Amino acid sequence: GENVEQHPSTLSVQEGDSAVIKCTYSDSASNYFPWYKQELGKRPQLIIDIRSNVGEKKDQRIAVTLNKTAKHFSLHITETQPEDSAVYFCALSGSARQLTFGSGTQLTVLP
Amino acid sequence: DAGVIQSPRHEVTEMGQEVTLRCKPISGHDYLFWYRQTMMRGLELLIYFNNNVPIDDSGMPEDRFSAKMPNASFSTLKIQPSEPRDSAVYFCASGRGGSYGYTFGSGTRLTVV
Repeated sequence: GENVEQHPSTLSVQEGDSAVIKCTYSDSASNYFPWYKQELGKRPQLIIDIRSNVGEKKDQRIAVTLNKTAKHFSLHITETQPEDSAVYFCALSGSARQLTFGSGTQLTVLP
Repeated sequence: DAGVIQSPRHEVTEMGQEVTLRCKPISGHDYLFWYRQTMMRGLELLIYFNNNVPIDDSGMPEDRFSAKMPNASFSTLKIQPSEPRDSAVYFCASGRGGSYGYTFGSGTRLTVV
């Protein structure tokens, strides 16, 4: 089945700096790559996604890049703010519709 | 749109008791997923349905777990008998065919003592 590894598991940045989280996968049939944000005690919420026919997608301060050849995709958050502090999960799916999630990254933005 | 609705929000039960978790997907969504979240294992897919039909239940831990979707607006996840290791947050999510964005419910925090 599909497998995804996520790094780092924890990340601390100063407010205003950038944060990058990376995920690698093994199944070349994977074609959909979303990122979810989960605040403490809340549900995972979709923040951005990308499909395999696109290399980069941006939405204000967040962006996702995909390298299909190397089988990795990354979340980039610029100008981080304290409210960006949360756990971020990468995920992927392929021919089957279910999402397989990474292990999560606890992002802390220090004021 | 009220989103994906799960009940109860919290459940505390004694080992050996039956537990039933409920989910109402977003109207018009034809995919429904049950996930379990723990610190040790992260977010695990238990089962998913398409048009009320179970498609993949390979993530269901064992026979103590069962899930049903009798109609497009309701699904249940049942654990019988429950064990302390079943303690986790159980999320239901729904999505629409042709679109990959899935919406999660608020989850049910289950504690088995």
